[in-house]
Amino acid sequence: GNSVTQMEGPVTLSEEAFLTINCTYTATGYPSLFWYVQYPGEGLQLLLKATKADDKGSNKGFEATYRKETTSFHLEKGSVQVSDSAVYFCALNTNAGKSTFGDGTTLTVKP
Amino acid sequence: DSGVTQTPKHLITATGQRVTLRCSPRSGDLSVYWYQQSLDQGLQFLIQYYNGEERAKGNILERFSAQQFPDLHSELNLSSLELGDSALYFCASSVGDSGGPVSTQYFGPGTRLTVL
Repeated sequence: GNSVTQMEGPVTLSEEAFLTINCTYTATGYPSLFWYVQYPGEGLQLLLKATKADDKGSNKGFEATYRKETTSFHLEKGSVQVSDSAVYFCALNTNAGKSTFGDGTTLTVKP
Repeated sequence: DSGVTQTPKHLITATGQRVTLRCSPRSGDLSVYWYQQSLDQGLQFLIQYYNGEERAKGNILERFSAQQFPDLHSELNLSSLELGDSALYFCASSVGDSGGPVSTQYFGPGTRLTVL
């Protein structure tokens, strides 16, 4: 079956540090890949997405590139802010409609 | 605001009881998904409906059932509740279900269920 493996957290960074959260996947077919963010006490919000190989999703300074050869979709941001503290989920959808989420990575950014 | 609404926001009930959670998708979305988020099991996909029909099933217990109505809202029914069913239940919706951009899911704020 499909699976998503995320870098284990928690991750603690200082403000303005560089962020990478690793995500690798296994799936049949050609999945679409997503990063979602969950702020404390809220639901998941779509952060960015990529629907085919070599696509780059970007939003709010975050980026991730769909790498079919390494089955990866790592999330990066050049300079994190305190307000980026949240839980980040990597996810995939296949043509069969089933969704698979990673376990989530908790990011804490300290001033 | 994602445009997906869920009611109630909080629900406290006792073991053995039955509850119904409600979800209204974004305007124009045909697919509805249900997820359970608990501390020990993370985010688990339960079930998906597309235009009234069951489309995909995940780790949904037999005590749980769902349906999508003609107006596209959906209900998740949880029965014979156990302490372990305490969790956040999220609903999400998407335009379609065939993969690609139309399968992008938008999440509601969730219903927090506490079973005492």
